[in-house]
Amino acid sequence: KNQVEQSPQSLIILEGKNCTLQCNYTVSPFSNLRWYKQDTGRGPVSLTIMTFSENTKSNGRYTATLDADTKQSSLHITASQLSDSASYICVVSALGSNYQLIWGAGTKLIIKP
Amino acid sequence: KAGVTQTPRYLIKTRGQQVTLSCSPISGHRSVSWYQQTPGQGLQFLFEYFSETQRNKGNFPGRFSGRQFSNSRSEMNVSTLELGDSALYLCASSRGTEQETQYFGPGTRLLVL
Repeated sequence: KNQVEQSPQSLIILEGKNCTLQCNYTVSPFSNLRWYKQDTGRGPVSLTIMTFSENTKSNGRYTATLDADTKQSSLHITASQLSDSASYICVVSALGSNYQLIWGAGTKLIIKP
Repeated sequence: KAGVTQTPRYLIKTRGQQVTLSCSPISGHRSVSWYQQTPGQGLQFLFEYFSETQRNKGNFPGRFSGRQFSNSRSEMNVSTLELGDSALYLCASSRGTEQETQYFGPGTRLLVL
């Protein structure tokens, strides 16, 4: 069964600190992996999208990594800011004609001053 | 370039009623996907439309239906509303290929009393 699991479920860190969020997936055949940021009560916003051949992708202070062999991805946030408080969602796309996306439950990140 | 728009933004209905939500995608986007998000939960995929055809469907009862028009605008209908249908309904648009990023609208918050 295609699944995406994220950890931790929630995380609290102090402003200025770094953090890493994890995503494990069992989606097959794999097409691509995406990370989204969702502020409370708003629609998700895309951070990165990585295909099978990409190991690392950065978007400002956000760096995503992908290990297609172990089916793991991480999202590293550097020098966190209060505005980083949000849910971070890992989404994996399965290959095939039906363009299926499998959504993780998300990690809720809280940045404290 | 205008983003994804959803109307209405807020809605209050009573059990047993039906509701129609509207989504206008970004110009040039042919794919529209609908998601349900209940408090504290991840996004649950409802269905996706591409060029007026339902291309993918999640595990929701038949009370949830949708359609897409020739201008790519999409509507979602929920009949015989239940209390558990109270949620944030998000739509997302993209060009429709597997590598494309989805762009989300602000959502419609539905409250069923």
